[in-house]
Parts: sequence; structure tokens; C-alpha cells
Amino acid sequence: NAGVTQTPKFQVLKTGQSMTLQCAQDMNHEYMSWYRQDPGMGLRLIHYSVGAGITDQGEVPNGYNVSRSTTEDFPLRLLSAAPSQTSVYFCASRGNRGAGELFFGEGSRLTVL
Amino acid sequence: SQQGEEDPQALSIQEGENATMNCSYKTSINNLQWYRQNSGRGLVHLILIRSNEREKHSGRLRVTLDTSKKSSSLLITASRAADTASYFCATDSSNTGKLIFGQGTTLQVKP
Repeated sequence: NAGVTQTPKFQVLKTGQSMTLQCAQDMNHEYMSWYRQDPGMGLRLIHYSVGAGITDQGEVPNGYNVSRSTTEDFPLRLLSAAPSQTSVYFCASRGNRGAGELFFGEGSRLTVL
Repeated sequence: SQQGEEDPQALSIQEGENATMNCSYKTSINNLQWYRQNSGRGLVHLILIRSNEREKHSGRLRVTLDTSKKSSSLLITASRAADTASYFCATDSSNTGKLIFGQGTTLQVKP
């Protein structure tokens, strides 16, 4: 059972480039979310989804797009990368949107030059 | 702005001692959760306490919740070097189920 899988683990971009961070879960979870983690800032919620076809903004959505066409996948898109988006990104899912633990991926470390 | 504020930001203790971390939050919650993160890894769920609960135990972990003070504490008893990690509280405040995390406490347990 793979759980939550994130790819790539590491990525270096130049300012203005675009890319997609992939997240897939095999637990049939309804809820999926993206966080970014910066030193001294803890984890901040970027976007989340309570089911296929439904997405919503978190605390820091600017500069990021998401879509949820299937239950399993929740990609995070950076349309025009900026140095301020240098961070570690975590995808997480949970089965019961009302309560319950989040299952995290291992993270994707992004550097924007 | 973030919901949770954790205190202390860093904690260093000797193996065998107890470690206490505190979390304060701003709005009413459905539940509060604690997570652990080893260096370079994803977060792992430790324990969940609902808003109508005051105390919960799991092995060497004890969590308390005081909704009147909007605060929670995590106690790790008889700490081990393997407990060295960052610990985060997260609050679940809305019916959408999104979790908002605090800034975390970095715990170092010296052997």
C-alpha cells in the first residue's frame, strides 16, 4: 500500500518557468490538500479538495492552481515560478472530511532561481 | 494567518525526562491533532482530541485540551533519543475538514 505519493522529490526551476507537482493516493480518500513548509512558518495550506471536481483555496493560494479530475490525483501547478515559491511542498489526504488524520507524502523540495 | 501558535519553539532535554509542548489557537474547533515530523520526512499523525474531550492518552503521549483557554498541550513521558523531531498541532475548525497547522516545536532528546 503506497499511501500518498509525490513526484518529483526535488526540482530546480528558473524564474518564470512552469511546472506541476504530482500527488496520488491509493486509499480512496475524498479529501486532498497541498501545504508548503518554510523555515519558521510551519505548514501553510495552499489549496484543498473535498472530492473529485471540487477545489477551494487555503491560506496562501496565490501563484498556484489545482484541479481534481479523479479521486486519486491532485496536481499542483505553478504557472510562472517565483523565488518566493522556493519551499518544501507536502500533499496530504484524509478519508473522512469531518474528522480524522491526514496522511502525508514525503514532500517535494522546489528551488526557484 | 495561522491558527496555532506553539510554545516553546525549541526544546532540548535529556533522555528519560518528560517533554511538554503547548499549542494555542484562535477560533473554535471541531478537533485538534498533533503530528510529528522527522528531519526531511513527511508528517505523521500522533493523536486526535475532539472538542468535547479534555484529555487523551496514547502510549507515552498525553494530550490535554482546554477549549475555554483555546489551548492544548502534548506531554511525552520518559523521552527517548528517537523522539527527536518537530511536533506540530493542527486545528480542524470548519465543516470542510481542512487542517491549519501551527509553527511547530523542535524537540531534541540527548542520549
